[in-house]
Amino acid sequence: RKEVEQDPGPFNVPEGATVAFNCTYSNSASQSFFWYRQDCRKEPKLLMSVYSSGNEDGRFTAQLNRASQYISLLIRDSKLSDSATYLCVVRGIMNTGFQKLVFGTGTRLLVSP
Amino acid sequence: EPEVTQTPSHQVTQMGQEVILRCVPISNHLYFYWYRQILGQKVEFLVSFYNNEISEKSEIFDDQFSVERPDGSNFTLKIRSTKLEDSAMYFCASSEDGYTFGSGTRLTVV
Repeated sequence: RKEVEQDPGPFNVPEGATVAFNCTYSNSASQSFFWYRQDCRKEPKLLMSVYSSGNEDGRFTAQLNRASQYISLLIRDSKLSDSATYLCVVRGIMNTGFQKLVFGTGTRLLVSP
Repeated sequence: EPEVTQTPSHQVTQMGQEVILRCVPISNHLYFYWYRQILGQKVEFLVSFYNNEISEKSEIFDDQFSVERPDGSNFTLKIRSTKLEDSAMYFCASSEDGYTFGSGTRLTVV
């Protein structure tokens, strides 16, 4: 089983649509969870952290279900500028005590006029 | 906003040659990382570095690879004898609490 699994998409949606991305992770000891955004051939940029209580940042809402090892991202009122690849990222503690980020393959979103 | 700076942005090299990718992490960060992304694939962890030594490395980070902090600001990744399959984007990151990624070096091995 992949450490972090996402539907690769692409998701093609019209402007104004609501779109949801899902992600599952295999390591139950994972500690922190994030959604990153990556534009074509650019670096990943943090979109938002994900908390068990759920959190919202403007049009973006993230949810975490630790029992199911499931993370989601909801984008409301999609904009053309939301077109990008959305990376589900999990941070875990390694045996050495140090941390690393584990990335999913990403879900590509295309928002059209 | 503080940035992680990477140079060069693009490097083309012949198979078998050595390359050095350079990074300037954010000045007060203590943890440094290299990640790589082969075109069309996911971002993969290579190595983490703390207190002037490697703290963790992945299976990808074999004897061909090495990292160094030659002075107080630079953090380098060296690939000794490049292979075609080393062609990828290489991202440097530093962290204190959150992670900040550099804009990457695109390495093309021909």
